[in-house]
Amino acid sequence: KAGVTQTPRYLIKTRGQQVTLSCSPISGHRSVSWYQQTPGQGLQFLFEYFSETQRNKGNFPGRFSGRQFSNSRSEMNVSTLELGDSALYLCASSVIQSNYGYTFGSGTRLTVV
Amino acid sequence: QKEVEQNSGPLSVPEGAIASLNCTYSDRVSQSFFWYRQYSGKSPELIMSIYSNGDKEDGRFTAQLNKASQYVSLLIRDSQPSDSATYLCAVNSEGGSEKLVFGKGTKLTVNP
Repeated sequence: KAGVTQTPRYLIKTRGQQVTLSCSPISGHRSVSWYQQTPGQGLQFLFEYFSETQRNKGNFPGRFSGRQFSNSRSEMNVSTLELGDSALYLCASSVIQSNYGYTFGSGTRLTVV
Repeated sequence: QKEVEQNSGPLSVPEGAIASLNCTYSDRVSQSFFWYRQYSGKSPELIMSIYSNGDKEDGRFTAQLNKASQYVSLLIRDSQPSDSATYLCAVNSEGGSEKLVFGKGTKLTVNP
């Protein structure tokens, strides 16, 4: 079966712009989580959605937001991009909740210049 | 702040040896523990999960959990060059914290 699909794979944006990243979870998976990965900080939790509701949020500024649609697809948005937002953004899905472990997508590599 | 700590390494072992990767966590109520493997330029891949004290074996991989010591480890037997990757420990807590907290990973190199 198809895995977790993230689009686009690569993005280059300018400081101050905004960006939207998309994630389609594995069919039947209702929980979608987003992580930011950087060499210095590792994997940092952004937020988790289940049935269109945000269940948990990490310690990121309000410029980072997300949503989930009725088909479980999810988007995250970053407004007013900063150089420090350059990172690999990973989406992960699970059946119900994270106790079962996540399956990660290939990620979106965002570069802010 | 729930924390997961791993030795950053790098850990270098010869081909055929046993690689031992360690992880400690701070949240005593943690119930679910995972090991992910991440090759350079790729996304993390789940390789082991463990939920109760003791050992769990899957092929060349053995996960060990000691909740009293808040310690989880991963042993890789007969290490192969293809095992060279960064290994991430992740911990989930019961009680509503619907997220995995990841360690920063240990980079493993298996030398032919």
